[in-house]
Amino acid sequence: EVRLVEYGGGLVQPGGSLRLSCAASGFTFDDYAMHWVRQAPGKGLEWVSGISWNSGDSGYADSVKGRFTISRDNAKNSLYVQMNSLRPEDTALYYCVKDISPYCYGSGPGFDSWGQGTLVTVSS
Amino acid sequence: DIQMTQSPSSLSASVGDRVTITCRASQGIRNDLGWYQQKPGKAPKRLIYGASSLQNRVPSRFSGSGSGTEFTLTISSLQPEDFATYYCLQHNTYPLMFGQGTKVEIK
Repeated sequence: EVRLVEYGGGLVQPGGSLRLSCAASGFTFDDYAMHWVRQAPGKGLEWVSGISWNSGDSGYADSVKGRFTISRDNAKNSLYVQMNSLRPEDTALYYCVKDISPYCYGSGPGFDSWGQGTLVTVSS
Repeated sequence: DIQMTQSPSSLSASVGDRVTITCRASQGIRNDLGWYQQKPGKAPKRLIYGASSLQNRVPSRFSGSGSGTEFTLTISSLQPEDFATYYCLQHNTYPLMFGQGTKVEIK
């Protein structure tokens, strides 16, 4: 059974940094692309970032480009996102999401498994 | 960036009704689109991939159609468990983009 568990959320001041982690199990982690998707309270889904199976390719939403960095450690079955220069509008539940494809875009991808999310609150 | 315009943003319907939700892409995305269902307090679940292929174990009352810039999700006969919010997602190119969502409520 696929299991994705996010860690690292919490309260941070504007301008601060936070690193989220996702521990994956139940599948061959290095066969698949992975993503972060967020949802602000009462709002819709927003794709944040994705990384291909071997870290050879990654992409970001315009809203986080230059501030967030996605990475993965296939030896540890883990996904990360380093979030810098945080803003109040970054407040959201952050989901770790497994793709069905090794790649983040094109004809193959799709999100087939989601974690339960970790809440990030940016406030003074 | 490719923008996804989803409509309507909400709708009220009765059990047994036929429901149609539309997503329009600002440029062609072939059939690189999926549909997702989210219930309150839960993570989303994929219903449709490749614009028209039904995900395993998803009821056949759900169907998807379209290619290029216009896509449709249809629920042929709405059931009580279908009241939820639905999102399209384009994965043709970066940045990936969800539609704004359609909340399906009970009339």
